[in-house]
Parts: sequence; C-alpha cells; structure tokens
Amino acid sequence: QVQLQESGPGLVKPSGTLSLTCAVSGGSISSTTWWNWVRQPPGKGLEWIGEISQSGDTNYNVSLKSRVTISIDKSKNQFSLNLISVTAADTAVYYCATWSGITSRPGYGWFDPWGRGTLVTVSS
Amino acid sequence: DIQMTQSPSSLSASVGDRVTITCRASQSISSYLNWYQHKPGKAPKVLIYGASSLQSGVPSRFRGSGSGTDFILTIINLQPEDFATYYCQQSYTTPVTFGQGTKVEIK
Repeated sequence: QVQLQESGPGLVKPSGTLSLTCAVSGGSISSTTWWNWVRQPPGKGLEWIGEISQSGDTNYNVSLKSRVTISIDKSKNQFSLNLISVTAADTAVYYCATWSGITSRPGYGWFDPWGRGTLVTVSS
Repeated sequence: DIQMTQSPSSLSASVGDRVTITCRASQSISSYLNWYQHKPGKAPKVLIYGASSLQSGVPSRFRGSGSGTDFILTIINLQPEDFATYYCQQSYTTPVTFGQGTKVEIK
C-alpha cells in the first residue's frame, strides 16, 4: 500500500522559503490521483494548501496561491512544496496526503493515506 | 470557496456516551462530505466518506448522515480511543475545505 513521508528543514527564517518533499513508496506517483499538501498551525484546524496531478496540473488554496508552488518528480517518485516569503503564521505541521477515490469533483474522494506530518517553525 | 462550519467546537463526554457532531456547508454539496479523526502526533484518519459510507476497518459505532448542507457524525457507545478531534471536509469542489474541528474530550 502507498506510504508517504515528509522531509525538509524544521526551521525557516522569516521572509525565507519553506521547502518540503514527500516521498511516495509502495506505489507510483504516476498513478491517476491528486497529491496534496495540508497543514495545521498550532492550536488550529486543518488547512488545504494545494495539489498536483501526475501530469503536473495544480490547484492551490486561493489564500496561498501567490506564494506556493507544488511540483512533481516522477524519476524520484516524490512531490514537493515550496512556500515563499514565510512569516510566523506559516508555522505549522505540514502533511502530504493522497486523494483516494474519484479524482474529479464533485466526486466521492477523500484524503488517504497521509504522511505522519512534519513541524516547520518560522523563526529567526 | 465553500465554508464548512462544525458545532460544537468542543465537547466533554464519558465512555459509553452517544456523541453527535454537526457540520454545515455554506451551499449544497449533495453527499460529498467526509469525516476524519485526528489524534495529536498522528495523521488524520478518514472515518466516513460520501456522508454515510464507512471506510474499511472503521468501527461501526461511527455513523454519518445528512445531505445538501447539513451533516451529522454520530459516535455510538464512545470508547476511550475515540477521544480526538473530528473534522468534516467537502469533496464537492476545488478548493476542498475542512470544518474547524470538534474536539471530543473526556468528562
């Protein structure tokens, strides 16, 4: 079964760039699905960041769209998140997640599986 | 964007209780509604998809209902391992959006 593992720096300076990678194992990133990033700031709820398909199509949360880029590397079976101009408000646990079920929307799809999450703190 | 509003934001309950969490969408989403359980330090886990379909391996004490704009997650006979935060999420349109969460605490 597919497993996901996030990696990247746990500390990023304000105004810097947050870069995370999600390694996919037990399956191919070229499968027909969406590969997602979701985050949870301390004490707050889940926030969808964006997604990428195996063909490179992307969708982003409007609130982050000007700062976020999600990319895919089929040769390494992984996808990545870049978030520029970070502030303390970007401090969060970042999860990568697969969209399972129907890929079109509206559709019966859901996030599963998820990575275990990685805490990124924005601080000088 | 479709706004998802959960209530209550938190509740206290005892083992064996019946717990009800509601989720309201800002527009009709038919039955494109999922429920997740999230425990500290762990990845969220899908419980219910399509408003009422139980994900494989999830205990039958979790039940989902509703359609349109109003949805309910019911936990029957609350167990110690059920103390967690629960989120609804719509799959009707992009961007997918989550409710703000309901924390179920031990009374």
